[in-house]
Amino acid sequence: EADIYQTPRYLVIGTGKKITLECSQTMGHDKMYWYQQDPGMELHLIHYSYGVNSTEKGDLSSESTVSRIRTEHFPLTLESARPSHTSQYLCASSVQEGGETQYFGPGTRLLVL
Amino acid sequence: LAKTTQPISMDSYEGQEVNITCSHNNIATNDYITWYQQFPSQGPRFIIQGYKTKVTNEVASLFIPADRKSSTLSLPRVSLSDTAVYYCLVGERADNYGQNFVFGPGTRLSVLP
Repeated sequence: EADIYQTPRYLVIGTGKKITLECSQTMGHDKMYWYQQDPGMELHLIHYSYGVNSTEKGDLSSESTVSRIRTEHFPLTLESARPSHTSQYLCASSVQEGGETQYFGPGTRLLVL
Repeated sequence: LAKTTQPISMDSYEGQEVNITCSHNNIATNDYITWYQQFPSQGPRFIIQGYKTKVTNEVASLFIPADRKSSTLSLPRVSLSDTAVYYCLVGERADNYGQNFVFGPGTRLSVLP
C-alpha cells in the first residue's frame, strides 16, 4: 500500500469559512494531484503539480488554490467555502515504473452548510 | 494519452470469472495500459499495468493483443467484495504540456450472490 495521507477525513463547515485540506505522501513522488468527485460521479482533476514550486489548474475549474513548498506536502485551500463546494476531494501522487501509476489517499468528504 | 471506451456497467455472480474489455484505438507506441478499482467513498486503487501480451498478479490478469488497440482485465472467481468501479487508463505519463489522465465513467461491476 502507498503511503499517502489526507486530513481531515470528514469536515462539516459553515459558509464563508476558510478551509485547508491536507495531503502528504512519504514516497518522494514528484507528481501530485487533487481530484474532486461527487457520489456516483466521475473524478475530475482540479489541480496538479510536477514538483516543488509547480502548481497547475486541472480540467475542472475550481475556486480552490494549492501550494507545493515541499515535495511531500500538497495542501488545498478554499478561501471562502460555499455549499457548492460540498464534495469528496481525493489527493494522489504518482510514480513512473513503465507507465505512470497514481496512488490515492483516502479522501476528504466536505460538507458546507 | 489515448481515449478509452469501456462498458458502463456489468453484472456477474459470485465465483464467476469477469472480463472487462477496454478499447483504445489511438494507443501510442510508448503507452501503457493501467487499471484501477474504486470502492464507494474511497480513492481509486491501482490493480494492474501492462504493455503487451499478458500480465498477471495476485489480484487480476491483463490480456493485451498484439495490435494493443484493446485490453481485457480478467478477475478470477469474483466475490461480493469485488463490486466496484473499474477504470482503464492508457498513456505513458502525464506530460509537461497539461495532458493528464482522464478516469472517465469506468465500468461499474455488480457482483450478485
